[in-house]
Amino acid sequence: EAGVVQSPRYKIIEKKQPVAFWCNPISGHNTLYWYRQNLGQGPELLIRYENEEAVDDSQLPKDRFSAERLKGVDSTLKIQPAELGDSAVYLCAIGEGSSGNTIYFGEGSWLTVV
Amino acid sequence: RKEVEQDPGPFNVPEGATVAFNCTYSNSASQSFFWYRQDCRKEPKLLMSVYSSGNEDGRFTAQLNRASQYISLLIRDSKLSDSATYLCVVNTHAGNMLTFGGGTRLMVKP
Repeated sequence: EAGVVQSPRYKIIEKKQPVAFWCNPISGHNTLYWYRQNLGQGPELLIRYENEEAVDDSQLPKDRFSAERLKGVDSTLKIQPAELGDSAVYLCAIGEGSSGNTIYFGEGSWLTVV
Repeated sequence: RKEVEQDPGPFNVPEGATVAFNCTYSNSASQSFFWYRQDCRKEPKLLMSVYSSGNEDGRFTAQLNRASQYISLLIRDSKLSDSATYLCVVNTHAGNMLTFGGGTRLMVKP
């Protein structure tokens, strides 16, 4: 099982402030996902990368969210400005297997917007 | 209708019981199916893939019913440590777009 390191683990910010999350896969994987999980719900896909290309970002609120994956390894997810409804866990995952669709998550970044 | 639906539960069962969860999906072209387990305040972790012919891993059995478009997870001889939320995952479009259900919460009691 590949490792995925996320930082920060916990973040509390005031609304309208910016916030950024980092995802560092320990070993190289072509497929990288960002999911958001609200309390009591399943994870929802925000964006999927194949190498450095964002191949599915239809669920990413582009007015305030942005993401990048430079050199096809590490990735960042940014929210600017944050809103109260953005409070959630932001999960980064990598894909393994022949089609990259067996995914393994990092521990997540817990965001609270006050 | 949601693309992947689960009964949120909770399912409260005594130790040693057998419990089953279903998960329905809307896209008949879906090809890949998985069950994940998520403990409180932890990330989801892969429990098992679901194969067309059904598959078993110890006390856990996963099955796929393509005609009715659902997958199931059966847990035999429930343990206290099985208490968690179980998430089904389906690829709902071509490629690697994986959609999660909302999860089913299981509580195993002494």
